[in-house]
Amino acid sequence: AQTVTQSQPEMSVQEAETVTLSCTYDTSESDYYLFWYKQPPSRQMILVIRQEAYKQQNATENRFSVNFQKAAKSFSLKISDSQLGDAAMYFCAYRSVLEYGNKLVFGAGTILRVKS
Amino acid sequence: DAGVTQSPTHLIKTRGQQVTLRCSPISGHKSVSWYQQVLGQGPQFIFQYYEKEERGRGNFPDRFSARQFPNYSSELNVNALLLGDSALYLCASSYREPNEQFFGPGTRLTVL
Repeated sequence: AQTVTQSQPEMSVQEAETVTLSCTYDTSESDYYLFWYKQPPSRQMILVIRQEAYKQQNATENRFSVNFQKAAKSFSLKISDSQLGDAAMYFCAYRSVLEYGNKLVFGAGTILRVKS
Repeated sequence: DAGVTQSPTHLIKTRGQQVTLRCSPISGHKSVSWYQQVLGQGPQFIFQYYEKEERGRGNFPDRFSARQFPNYSSELNVNALLLGDSALYLCASSYREPNEQFFGPGTRLTVL
C-alpha cells in the first residue's frame, strides 16, 4: 500500500517570502499522480498543483511550483511571494494509475502560517 | 455553476445512532468519492462510486455504506455510531476517472 509522509506539522513564512513544504511517499509503482491540496479554515479543499510521475519537468502554477525527485520519492511544494491568503493546511496526496478507481492517499498535512 | 454541495453542514448524534450524509456532485460529474478527516489528520478514503457502481472501498468497517443515485448524487450511511466516528466527512466529485477531484465543504459529525 502507498503511504504519504509530511514531516512538517507546521511552517511559518513572512509575507512576500518563499517557503517550501516537504512531502515524501512510498510506492512500488512507476507511474502515478501526485497532488498538493490546500484546505483553508473554511474547510473547502482546493487543488493547488499536480504532477504526473512520467513527466520529468516540474509542474508550476503561478507562484506555486514543485520539486519532484522520483528516485528519492520526494515531492516538495514551493510557494513564492507568500500572501496572507496562502495561510491554510496543505496536504500532499498520491493517486495510483494502476489501481481501479480514483482513490487519493493523503499525508497528515502541514499548517502554513503567513506573518504580515 | 454550483460546486459540490453537502448536507447537512453540522450534525450531532449519540453513540449507537445511525446517520446519513448527502452529497450532490458538480453538474455532469459521474464519480463521487467519500473521505473521512479526523481532526488534525489527512483525509482517509472511504468509498468511490462511478456511474452508480462501487469502484473502491477503503479500510472501514461494514458499518459504513454508501450508494449513488441515477442523478449521480450520493449518500453515505454510518450505523451504530462510535465516538471515533466524529470527523469531517468530505465528498469529492469528478467528471470521470481519473480526472481532477473537486471537494465539497464537508459535513462535521460529532458523536457524543
